[in-house]
Amino acid sequence: DTAVSQTPKYLVTQMGNDKSIKCEQNLGHDTMYWYKQDSKKFLKIMFSYNNKELIINETVPNRFSPKSPDKAHLNLHINSLELGDSAVYFCASSQAFFSSGNTIYFGEGSWLTVV
Amino acid sequence: QQQVKQSPQSLIVQKGGISIINCAYENTAFDYFPWYQQFPGKGPALLIAIRPDVSEKKEGRFTISFNKSAKQFSLHIMDSQPGDSATYFCAASITWGAQKLVFGQGTRLTINP
Repeated sequence: DTAVSQTPKYLVTQMGNDKSIKCEQNLGHDTMYWYKQDSKKFLKIMFSYNNKELIINETVPNRFSPKSPDKAHLNLHINSLELGDSAVYFCASSQAFFSSGNTIYFGEGSWLTVV
Repeated sequence: QQQVKQSPQSLIVQKGGISIINCAYENTAFDYFPWYQQFPGKGPALLIAIRPDVSEKKEGRFTISFNKSAKQFSLHIMDSQPGDSATYFCAASITWGAQKLVFGQGTRLTINP
């Protein structure tokens, strides 16, 4: 079974549209994340939730809105998509928030292309 | 501001050779330094990690060397194999509090058979 699963894996959409990416982890972890990987493969954290509470919000445009209905799920909704939003979005999770370098497990990514 | 700088951007090594990837960091508060391996179409996966209280950590063919005074750390892959061909990312974080991994720019490693 996939530990961190996200859907869809591929998404092609037009500028101005609104889209969502869903993420679920079955590891029993308390903390979940969204990372963005740009065309140069640079990985940067966007958000982090701990037990459904937003902990990290890294100066992401407010067109991006994460939502955590429970600690096993963290969805990402993007409004008014722009060309620059084209990237791979990775969901991830780790065991605990206040931790000693707990391993962060990544999903396989959602490839978003805005045309 | 790029807090973790990684080099080289790409690296080609012959099978059986040693692959070396270097990283430098700026924030002295970082106290956890993992390396992640990413295959095409997959998410990054933890390969090996080190804390600054040790200078070296070895797991199989993979070794991290850490130089706290120079604020540098490196990944050595011994007896490199074609299956090691992937993109490697160094990262750093402060382990207490919000665990925010700051990644290097990545190194695309190709092992020629």
